[in-house]
This record gives sequence, structure tokens and C-alpha cells, in this order.
Amino acid sequence: AIRMTQSPSSFSASTGDRVTITCRASQGISSYLAWYQQKPGKAPKLLIYAASTLQSGVPSRFSGSGSGTDFTLTISCLQSEDFATYYCQQYYSYPSLTFGGGTKVEIK
Amino acid sequence: QLQLQESGPGLVKPSETLSLTCTVSGGSISSSSYYWGWIRQPPGKGLEWIGSIYYSGSTYYNPSLKSRVTISVDTSKNQFSLKLSSVTAADTAVYYCARFNLGYCSGGSCYPGYMDVWGKGTTVTVSS
Repeated sequence: AIRMTQSPSSFSASTGDRVTITCRASQGISSYLAWYQQKPGKAPKLLIYAASTLQSGVPSRFSGSGSGTDFTLTISCLQSEDFATYYCQQYYSYPSLTFGGGTKVEIK
Repeated sequence: QLQLQESGPGLVKPSETLSLTCTVSGGSISSSSYYWGWIRQPPGKGLEWIGSIYYSGSTYYNPSLKSRVTISVDTSKNQFSLKLSSVTAADTAVYYCARFNLGYCSGGSCYPGYMDVWGKGTTVTVSS
């Protein structure tokens, strides 16, 4: 199975900061990567699919990039509602879909 | 607006079978554009894909759970279901149902991709 490694696992940031989360696949997955945001007690919410396509209704401050094995999620100007845990997910390897371990973004 | 709702027992005894149902409203489960499936999240941990099913009945399961998992679909009720047998405390988790977009395609077949609509989740505890 393809292993997805996110870094960092957690960090603190301030409102207005530009933040970047990294996701690395153990083997190439082309652009078959999605990003999700999860808040405590809630289901995950799809932010980005196909590595860089913004899901409808998601603010444009979120962006994704990368292909192959290395991917990034960037939040250009962190808002209070963005403090959450973020997960990447690959959907290149069938029949096994896998998630990264998550990155928790906390308030500094 | 498409909505998914999980239902089933919140407490299951060790060695028994966990059974959950997901009811889809606001859209048809018989769409050829999507898979439907389950993801779980143990307390304080990350997300784990359990498996997915197409309206035709084609299924894909996480290899680590495959021997214990069965996912089925009932198009007449617009529902799909999960059965996980021989449960242990390690199966305690929040279980989510979700709609899966088509992902990687090869040889005329497309496989489960990313999840764009999720249920709210249901907590299942395995304990005697």
C-alpha cells in the first residue's frame, strides 16, 4: 500500500499567516491527491482534489500543488475558522485508498 | 442537496458483528458517477478507508480489513450497509459514510476516488 506522510504533524500559527502543509507519497501517485479539513467532532470536508482543483464553495485562500510524490496545501491568509486538522488522501492505488496522518493547525 | 445519514448500534460486544446503514437522501445511489463507502476514525487518531461499493454491487475493500468486511447496497431503499465481523476494542471508532467520486481509471474501469459528501458520523464502541 502507498504510504502518505504529512509534515509537520502539528504547528502553531497566527491569523493572517501564510501556512504550508506537506504531503509525501511513498511512490508516485500522479495528481491523484485530495486534501480535507476536519474540525473537532465534525466530518472531514473536501478542500482540494486532483492535487490542485479547488472544491466548489471552498475559499480561494486555499490552494494545492504538486504531482508525483510531493504535494503541498497552502493557506494564503489564515483565518480563525481555518484552525483545524488537515489530511491528504491518495486515490491512485487501488484497491487501497490511504490517508496521511494529519496536520493540526493551532492558534499561536 | 445530497445528504448521508449513518444509523446502527452504538455498542457492540467483542467477537460480534458491527452493522451500520447509510441512508442517502436528495439524490440517487444508482448514479454511475459515484461509489459509496465507509471510513472510520478511532478516538484521537487519523482516518482509515474501510471500503467502497458501486451501485452495480462491485466492491473494493481495505486489504487490512478485507477478511472481516462486507459492504452491500440496496438501490430500492437508497441505502448501503457495512458489516464488520469479529470486532475487537481496536474497532472502536467514529464511522463515516461518504460519496466517492470516480478516481483512477484503467482498462475501462474506474475506481473509488476522493470523498465529496460525508455523513455526520456515528460512534461505535466495542465493549462487553
